[in-house]
Amino acid sequence: GNSVTQMEGPVTLSEEAFLTINCTYTATGYPSLFWYVQYPGEGLQLLLKATKADDKGSNKGFEATYRKETTSFHLEKGSVQVSDSAVYFCALTTQGGSEKLVFGKGTKLTVNP
Amino acid sequence: NAGVTQTPKFQVLKTGQSMTLQCAQDMNHNSMYWYRQDPGMGLRLIYYSASEGTTDKGEVPNGYNVSRLNKREFSLRLESAAPSQTSVYFCASRVGTGTSYEQYFGPGTRLTVT
Repeated sequence: GNSVTQMEGPVTLSEEAFLTINCTYTATGYPSLFWYVQYPGEGLQLLLKATKADDKGSNKGFEATYRKETTSFHLEKGSVQVSDSAVYFCALTTQGGSEKLVFGKGTKLTVNP
Repeated sequence: NAGVTQTPKFQVLKTGQSMTLQCAQDMNHNSMYWYRQDPGMGLRLIYYSASEGTTDKGEVPNGYNVSRLNKREFSLRLESAAPSQTSVYFCASRVGTGTSYEQYFGPGTRLTVT
């Protein structure tokens, strides 16, 4: 079946540090990949996405590249800010008009000033 | 546009009580979803509705029922609440077609069952 594995958290960084959150997936077919972010007390928001191999999704300084050979979609940011403190979820959906997203368990990021 | 709205924001139930969580979207989306979020478990799909008049089970449907009242509204009912249903519940709706789509989430309902 389809599944997503994210690195265990929590992750604590200082402001301006480099961020990587690892995400790998198992899927039949050719999935689309997503990163969602959840700020404290809120619902999830789409952060970025990639729909085919070698695509790079980017938004708000975050980037992730769809790597089919390593079945990975790692999230990176060169310089984090306190306002990036949130929970980050990697997710996938597969071709064939699937209605459903499969989520990883989430990684909590705390950025200290 | 309000996006996806959920009511109530917080609820405390006793074991065995029933309640309905309400969800509405004003984006004219066809598909709607109910998830639960538990610590260390991520989001798990309870039920979804691909279009008005249809509903399907997700990963964890036991103990829940849903109604797609019209295109805008998708409610989740707990007939006899159990402590294991203590969770944060999110409703979402979907835009786009095929695999390149985004789900829009509501702010959540925090439910405690004692």
